[in-house]
Amino acid sequence: QSVLTQPPSASGTPGQRVTISCSGGSSNIGSNTVNWYQQFPGTAPRLLIYNNNQRPSGVPDRFFGSKSGTSASLAISGLLSEDEADYYCAAWDDSLNASYVFGTGTKVTVL
Amino acid sequence: EVQLVESGGGLVQPGRSLRLSCAASGFNFDDYAMHWVRQIPGKGLEWVSGISWNSGGIGYADSVKGRFTISRDNAKNSLYLQMNSLRTEDTALYYCAKGTRYMWNDGSFDPWGQGTLVTVSS
Repeated sequence: QSVLTQPPSASGTPGQRVTISCSGGSSNIGSNTVNWYQQFPGTAPRLLIYNNNQRPSGVPDRFFGSKSGTSASLAISGLLSEDEADYYCAAWDDSLNASYVFGTGTKVTVL
Repeated sequence: EVQLVESGGGLVQPGRSLRLSCAASGFNFDDYAMHWVRQIPGKGLEWVSGISWNSGGIGYADSVKGRFTISRDNAKNSLYLQMNSLRTEDTALYYCAKGTRYMWNDGSFDPWGQGTLVTVSS
C-alpha cells in the first residue's frame, strides 16, 4: 500500500522534457528527503536521485530531482529512448511505525 | 564491484516458513544498513524490513511485523530474512538492497540484488 502518489504514466518524444510528480504527506516527504529509483523490465531497481536532488555517480545530468513541501518531482530533459522505464519516488516515513515508503510508480514511454 | 546475491526463494504452502539469504561482496558489509524490498511481478515496490550495521536497530513493514525476522552475520557478509506464517499475499520477488547509511531508518538503497522469487500457494 503506497502512500506516495505518482501518475501511472508519462510520455514524450525524443529530446523533450518529461516531469513526474510525487505527492506525499507531512510524515514522509514533508519531513524527509526524497529518493528516486529507475527500473527497466526484468531488472532490479537502481538509485537515480537521492537527498531530493543528488545524482549518484554515473547518472546523467539530464535527470533532475526537486522537492517542495510534501511533494517532489523528477524531470528528465533531452528524453532518450533508453529512458523508457518505470520510476519510483521514495522517502522515509516518520509515522508511529517508521518505514520506507515508495510511490505508486510511473511508466515513462518514449514515443 | 558491489554484488548482492539473493537465494532461498521457492514455492511454499501457506502457513509454512522460508528463509532468504543475501550474500554481499565488494564493500565493507559491516559499515552499512541492509534492507529487504519486495515486488509482486508487474506491480510496485514495497519495503519489507531494514537492519542497522550492527543489528542494533531493526524495522519492519506493518504487513510483515510479527511474522518476518531480519538478521545479519557481519562475519559472513550475509543478510537473512526468516519468513514465518507465510500468506499468499507474500508472493513476490524479494530484493536485498544495501543501505547508504549505517542506520536502518536513514538514507537510500544502492545497489540492489537481482532478487529471489517467493511463491506462496497451496
